[in-house]
Amino acid sequence: NAGVTQTPKFRILKIGQSMTLQCTQDMNHNYMYWYRQDPGMGLKLIYYSVGAGITDKGEVPNGYNVSRSTTEDFPLRLELAAPSQTSVYFCASSPGERGGKNEQYFGPGTRLTVT
Amino acid sequence: EDKVVQSPLSLVVHEGDTVTLNCSYEVTNFRSLLWYKQEKKAPTFLFMLTSSGIEKKSGRLSSILDKKELFSILNITATQTGDSAIYLCAVVKSGGYQKVTFGTGTKLQVIP
Repeated sequence: NAGVTQTPKFRILKIGQSMTLQCTQDMNHNYMYWYRQDPGMGLKLIYYSVGAGITDKGEVPNGYNVSRSTTEDFPLRLELAAPSQTSVYFCASSPGERGGKNEQYFGPGTRLTVT
Repeated sequence: EDKVVQSPLSLVVHEGDTVTLNCSYEVTNFRSLLWYKQEKKAPTFLFMLTSSGIEKKSGRLSSILDKKELFSILNITATQTGDSAIYLCAVVKSGGYQKVTFGTGTKLQVIP
């Protein structure tokens, strides 16, 4: 059982480039989330999804897009990368309301630098 | 606006010491409070607390929630160098996508 996996682990982008951060979970969780973590700033929610085909914005969605075509996958797209998007990105999933369990399981993170 | 505040921001203790980490919150439609440990990589889940006054324990770690005073504490007894990490507190709201608000964390360093 792999849990939540993310690729790549590290990436350096030039300003204006685009990329997709991949996230896959094998726990059949309905809820999936993308966070960014800046040093000393805690975790900020970018986008979330409550099920396949359903996505919505979190606190800091500007400059990002997501899709959720399957339960397992929740890729995050960066268009026109900017230095302000330099951060560590975490994908997470949770069972949601089912069984009352709402703890989130995190992937290992992607460290992105935009220069 | 929902808020989760952790204190202290950081602390350094010696092995064997006992530490208490604090988390206070202001959220509407509270559902649960989560504690995570974050070492070099992703946060790992420690506890979920939903009811006041019921202590959760796992080895040397324990946590309790006070829903009247809107805070939780995480205790670590007989600390070890492996306890060095950032400890994150998060609050989950009811309904919708179960919005989760994280605190900025307490950085704990345990020195031999």
